[in-house]
Amino acid sequence: AQTVTQSQPEMSVQEAETVTLSCTYDTSESDYYLFWYKQPPSRQMILVIRQEAYKQQNATENRFSVNFQKAAKSFSLKISDSQLGDAAMYFCAYRSPRGAQKLVFGQGTRLTINP
Amino acid sequence: ETGVTQSPTHLIKTRGQQVTLRCSSQSGHNTVSWYQQALGQGPQFIFQYYREEENGRGNFPPRFSGLQFPNYSSELNVNALELDDSALYLCASSLGRHRDMNTEAFFGQGTRLTVV
Repeated sequence: AQTVTQSQPEMSVQEAETVTLSCTYDTSESDYYLFWYKQPPSRQMILVIRQEAYKQQNATENRFSVNFQKAAKSFSLKISDSQLGDAAMYFCAYRSPRGAQKLVFGQGTRLTINP
Repeated sequence: ETGVTQSPTHLIKTRGQQVTLRCSSQSGHNTVSWYQQALGQGPQFIFQYYREEENGRGNFPPRFSGLQFPNYSSELNVNALELDDSALYLCASSLGRHRDMNTEAFFGQGTRLTVV
């Protein structure tokens, strides 16, 4: 079974600075998908960025980028120019290409933005 | 296009009772997944429905059951409620099944269930 670990329960960053959230995972599969989701106080999970394991190039979405290290099974999220609206819980998630479209989530990291 | 909507938003039930949570999937989506998110934890997969059939189940007892209707909306039923069932229940809808990574899952705002 796949597992996802987020070792930082809480992180904080000054507005406009850069922060990196860590995620490691365990799998025996060679092909899979990785995601970062944001969960604000409204509770709705919002997709931030996704990465296909067979792609070596790191995904980027505006101020959000990932550092995908397949051999190390590491998938960190970098948020540049942090904004107050980035404050939320962030979850790393794994999805296998086989079976149900089930997401395996980590425990989450609470990100606080200091003005 | 409408998003994923869940009802009710909050619910308080007594231990031993039964509860039904509802989810309307995003327009055009034929797959619905349910997750349980305990306080301070990441969501855990309960089960998924694809075109009205169960398409995968997580490590949850049989008292957690579900349905998907012809319009692809879905229900999650929990019988014999226990205190540990208190959690946020999230519904996610998507189009298609497994292999296509571009079938992004869209989440609702969840139902907060409290069992007393």
